[in-house]
This record gives sequence, C-alpha cells and structure tokens, in this order.
Amino acid sequence: AQSVTQPDIHITVSEGASLELRCNYSYGATPYLFWYVQSPGQGLQLLLKYFSGDTLVQGIKGFEAEFKRSQSSFNLRKPSVHWSDAAEYFCAVNRGGNTPLVFGKGTRLSVIA
Amino acid sequence: DTAVSQTPKYLVTQMGNDKSIKCEQNLGHDTMYWYKQDSKKFLKIMFSYNNKELIINETVPNRFSPKSPDKAHLNLHINSLELGDSAVYFCASSPRTNTEAFFGQGTRLTVV
Repeated sequence: AQSVTQPDIHITVSEGASLELRCNYSYGATPYLFWYVQSPGQGLQLLLKYFSGDTLVQGIKGFEAEFKRSQSSFNLRKPSVHWSDAAEYFCAVNRGGNTPLVFGKGTRLSVIA
Repeated sequence: DTAVSQTPKYLVTQMGNDKSIKCEQNLGHDTMYWYKQDSKKFLKIMFSYNNKELIINETVPNRFSPKSPDKAHLNLHINSLELGDSAVYFCASSPRTNTEAFFGQGTRLTVV
C-alpha cells in the first residue's frame, strides 16, 4: 500500500528565515504529488502539485517543491517565511486510477518573530 | 463564490442521535469525497463518489451512509452517533479521480 511520511510533526522558524518541510512516499511508480495547507479552523488549500515534467514546481504564496525520484521525496520550500504562513501542512499522493488522495500526518509550522 | 460548501460548520449532538452533513460543489466536478480528520489532524478517506456512483468505501461503519442525489451534492448521514465519531468531516471534489481535490471548510462534529 502506498504511504506518505512527513517526519517532522512540528517545526518552528523565525519570520524571514527559509523553510523546508519534508515528505517521503513509498510507492513503486511515481505517484501524483501534492502539498496542502490548512489554517486553523479552515479547510485545506492546494499549494502545488506535481504530475510529471520539471521536477521543481512553483506554487501559490511563494512556495515551491522539488520531486526527487531517487529519494522518493517531495519537499516543500519557501525562501522567506511570513508570520501568516503558520499553519498545518500536508503532503498527499495519488497513484492514479480510481484512488483518492492519501495524506501524510501533517507538519505544524510555527513562526516566531 | 464558495466552490465546495458544507453545512453545518459546527454540530454538537448527543450519543445515539442521527445527524446529516450536506455538501455541495459548484465546480462541475465529477468526483466527490468525504474525509475524516481526527483530533491529531490525520486525514482519512471515508467515501469516494464518481458521477453519483460509490467507488470507494474505506472500512467505514455502516452507521455512515453517503448519498449523492446528483453530481453536485454528496451528503453524509450518520446513525446512532458515538463518542468516537467526534471529528472534523471534510467534503471535497475533483474533476476526476486522480487529480487534486478541492476541500470544503469542514464540519466539526462533537458527540457528547
């Protein structure tokens, strides 16, 4: 069965610092990959997605992610974090066909002044 | 314009009651889902519908019964509510089954 691992439960960064959130997946083929953000009391908003092609994908709110097949990873990055980025971040995969998104357990991002 | 809307946003009810959550999407999508988010924020698929047909039922107790009257609506009815049903329930939709999903705001269900 496919699975998604987000190794970091909680990360704290200073405002203006760079950010990298880790995501690893286990699946034989390359799945479709996604990052979502969930602000407190809100639904999930899609940040970016990777299906194929260029392994560095740009998303909304200044986020980007890089797919690395050799490491089965799809890490999310942002060069300079803003206080409004504090939220829960979820990596998700879809292996295609009639399958829904499978989510990692999430990484909570705190931003300090 | 809300793309995926759920009602109600909050639901507090007693054990043993029956309740429903409604979901509507105005994106013209063919596929709709119900996800459950537990207290640790873990998101787990419950049901998936494609063109009003149930295609995924992920080991959910049969007290949970989804109904899709048309492609734009997917409601969730829960019978004989239990304390363990307390969670946030998210409705989502996607243009087809293997693409990104668009989520509603969630319904926080509290069973007391």
